[in-house]
Amino acid sequence: GAVVSQHPSRVICKSGTSVKIECRSLDFQATTMFWYRQFPKQSLMLMATSNEGSKATYEQGVEKDKFLINHASLTLSTLTVTSAHPEDSSFYICSLPRQGYNEQFFGPGTRLTVL
Amino acid sequence: AQSVTQPDIHITVSEGASLELRCNYSYGATPYLFWYVQSPGQGLQLLLKYFSGDTLVQGIKGFEAEFKRSQSSFNLRKPSVHWSDAAEYFCAVGEDSSASKIIFGSGTRLSIRP
Repeated sequence: GAVVSQHPSRVICKSGTSVKIECRSLDFQATTMFWYRQFPKQSLMLMATSNEGSKATYEQGVEKDKFLINHASLTLSTLTVTSAHPEDSSFYICSLPRQGYNEQFFGPGTRLTVL
Repeated sequence: AQSVTQPDIHITVSEGASLELRCNYSYGATPYLFWYVQSPGQGLQLLLKYFSGDTLVQGIKGFEAEFKRSQSSFNLRKPSVHWSDAAEYFCAVGEDSSASKIIFGSGTRLSIRP
């Protein structure tokens, strides 16, 4: 089956630093990738749509200058949380639609803790 | 705008008992509906999905769901739960056939009573 990886799986950083999270498709190409955020005991909220070779599309209320998305290739999208603060602590999950499958394939998630 | 409602935040059932998790959706066109399960600290696993055809959908782990257009519902069922079914369950609606944009419900936490 399709495999989507995320790196790192867990990261702890100090307030004010930037953290980069990678989402990688291991066995298919995706022109589009999605980034979700999940706060503890809450649902997944779509943050942005990452488009290969173009600018990402952000959902309302998500700061594009704070959450930088780069979709440089058909198998890799990165989410950089800039100047992270404790309120950014969350579980970040990427997903990729795969043509012909009518579903998204989710990564295992990255747990970010900002001290 | 599309939306998904899961009215039950937390449900506890006894092991071996039947289960039904409720899901209601709001969408103007034919919805693409999903149920996902998430174990603590883990990613999402797709249980089943519905796009068209037979309104009763069979999924993995013995789960099934029934699409009822008249009630805008897509409830998840299992005849007999196992302790390993304890997890968070999310109903979701997709925007189009490529499942390009998925909106998740708030989730229902399932606990199993021994």
